[in-house]
Amino acid sequence: ETGVTQTPRHLVMGMTNKKSLKCEQHLGHNAMYWYKQSAKKPLELMFVYNFKEQTENNSVPSRFSPECPNSSHLFLHLHTLQPEDSALYLCASSQEAGATTDTQYFGPGTRLTVL
Amino acid sequence: AQSVTQLDSHVSVSEGTPVLLRCNYSSSYSPSLFWYVQHPNKGLQLLLKYTSAATLVKGINGFEAEFKKSETSFHLTKPSAHMSDAAEYFCVVTTKGGSQGNLIFGKGTKLSVKP
Repeated sequence: ETGVTQTPRHLVMGMTNKKSLKCEQHLGHNAMYWYKQSAKKPLELMFVYNFKEQTENNSVPSRFSPECPNSSHLFLHLHTLQPEDSALYLCASSQEAGATTDTQYFGPGTRLTVL
Repeated sequence: AQSVTQLDSHVSVSEGTPVLLRCNYSSSYSPSLFWYVQHPNKGLQLLLKYTSAATLVKGINGFEAEFKKSETSFHLTKPSAHMSDAAEYFCVVTTKGGSQGNLIFGKGTKLSVKP
């Protein structure tokens, strides 16, 4: 266990559904991240939050909407997704975003399937 | 710009034989380097990291990696493979400036261990 939990672990949704992914970290970190992991592609950074403020949006489509109510919780709200959005969505946390020696700790991921 | 190249997409070894997973990096400054492991349907777990201290870094589960600046390499090794080592391994380099996400992931090397 890394101290980062994600729910649900698996999610199947239609293209017109609205759902949310949840991430919680118990490490006292100040930075949280969303990544997308698709088959045969490197891990893609989606969003970065540092001290609850969004500091990076890596050109992510607006059908993905992040929310960070506090340093321990991170959500990814999903609506009108496309089948190509099917992937493993990983959450990570670290002490503070941007420090080159900072270590990110990952959750187990949510396996999302869009029908 | 920083980048990382994992030279093998798939490595297969027999149980009890040495493991070598190769990684080359490109960085215009002294980077931090990491190896993460991902078991099937799981999140990423940190194996080890190099942050400009000792060039030979020891990690969990008997893995180690050596930072060689002259060769811009950070290869991962283990003297004797175990069946439980079968997983995908990611070499990661930090960025500086720009992305607050600050990690660049390689494409991964899938390690198979034969009995």
